Amino acid sequence: GENVEQHPSTLSVQEGDSAVIKCTYSDSASNYFPWYKQELGKRPQLIIDIRSNVGEKKDQRIAVTLNKTAKHFSLHITETQPEDSAVYFCAARGYTGNQFYFGTGTSLTVIP
Amino acid sequence: NAGVTQTPKFQVLKTGQSMTLQCAQDMNHEYMSWYRQDPGMGLRLIHYSVGAGITDQGEVPNGYNVSRSTTEDFPLRLLSAAPSQTSVYFCASRKGQHTEAFFGQGTRLTVV
Repeated sequence: GENVEQHPSTLSVQEGDSAVIKCTYSDSASNYFPWYKQELGKRPQLIIDIRSNVGEKKDQRIAVTLNKTAKHFSLHITETQPEDSAVYFCAARGYTGNQFYFGTGTSLTVIP
Repeated sequence: NAGVTQTPKFQVLKTGQSMTLQCAQDMNHEYMSWYRQDPGMGLRLIHYSVGAGITDQGEVPNGYNVSRSTTEDFPLRLLSAAPSQTSVYFCASRKGQHTEAFFGQGTRLTVV
């Protein structure tokens, strides 16, 4: 099956700075990579996703980049705000397309 | 449109007891999954289903059973609860292979 590794496990940034979270995956057949945000005590919610035929995707302050050759993808958050504080999970779709495999999560703290 | 509904929100079991975690979605999604979330380990897939009557094992299926008799419902059964099954359980559904997964609000299970 797919193996997704995520780094760092914790990240603290000053408000207004950028945050970058990186993930690697093992299955070269994986072709869909979503990112989820989970606020404390709440359910994970999709914030952005990317398919393998695209190298980068942006949505306001959030962007995701994908390097298929190196099998890694990254989440970039610019101009961070305190409400960005949460746990972020990357995921990759398994080779059959029927299941997602998640990274272990990054706890992001934005310091006002 | 309620999305994905999980019950109960909290549960305490004694070792050896059995119980069923309920999950229902009203979005007519074919794909449904169960995950457990443990500190530092992210979301790990327990079982998943790609449609009524079709289920398969994920990464950590031991000690759990599922069935999918209807499109809407995907219950998770703990056969004989063990302390190692203390966790937060999330049910998720999605329409297709490259689409957003919607999560339920989670069930916090404690096995004593």
